Amino acid sequence: DAGVTQSPTHLIKTRGQQVTLRCSPKSGHDTVSWYQQALGQGPQFIFQYYEEEERQRGNFPDRFSGHQFPNYSSELNVNALLLGDSALYLCASSPKTAGQGIQMNTEAFFGQGTRLTVV
Amino acid sequence: GEDVEQSLFLSVREGDSSVINCTYTDSSSTYLYWYKQEPGAGLQLLTYIFSNMDMKQDQRLTVLLNKKDKHLSLRIADTQTGDSAIYFCAESRSGSARQLTFGSGTQLTVLP
Repeated sequence: DAGVTQSPTHLIKTRGQQVTLRCSPKSGHDTVSWYQQALGQGPQFIFQYYEEEERQRGNFPDRFSGHQFPNYSSELNVNALLLGDSALYLCASSPKTAGQGIQMNTEAFFGQGTRLTVV
Repeated sequence: GEDVEQSLFLSVREGDSSVINCTYTDSSSTYLYWYKQEPGAGLQLLTYIFSNMDMKQDQRLTVLLNKKDKHLSLRIADTQTGDSAIYFCAESRSGSARQLTFGSGTQLTVLP
């Protein structure tokens, strides 16, 4: 089991550009969440996808968007990059949620992250 | 104020026990987690506890939860140099499908 994999590992972009980050969840997981971790801080929740739709969203502007594919993998897109977008972007995957919002398994596994530097 | 708070730094001697503390504000938190992050790496899930439990033990790790005071602690027995890392406390709130809210992390340094 490869666990949660993210690509690329490092990326340098210029202000105003757009970036796409990728995540493949752990085998058997169908829910993908994205987090932004600025230097010296804890991760901040961006949004979560399952069944190919955005289900929850944190306090991030519309410049941050995402997508989930039928194979459960996901992309995070950031438009009009700002210097403040420089951070480690983490993807987490979780198993399926049972009906009526009951969580059958609460473990969220993280990938190694993509280090984005905006210059 | 922050939803989840942790002290920033902790230093212990190798072989001693480490206790990392965390406070949270949301009484609807259903699960509380401890993650470990080594330099340049992602987050490793160490353990978690359901909010109706007081204690959970897993090998060298002991989690204590005081729900009345909204206080969570992680005790690492026989701390080793390989335990040096940043430890994050996180909460998952009911109905949020595993949206985690993290503290700022505690840097644990284990001295030889």
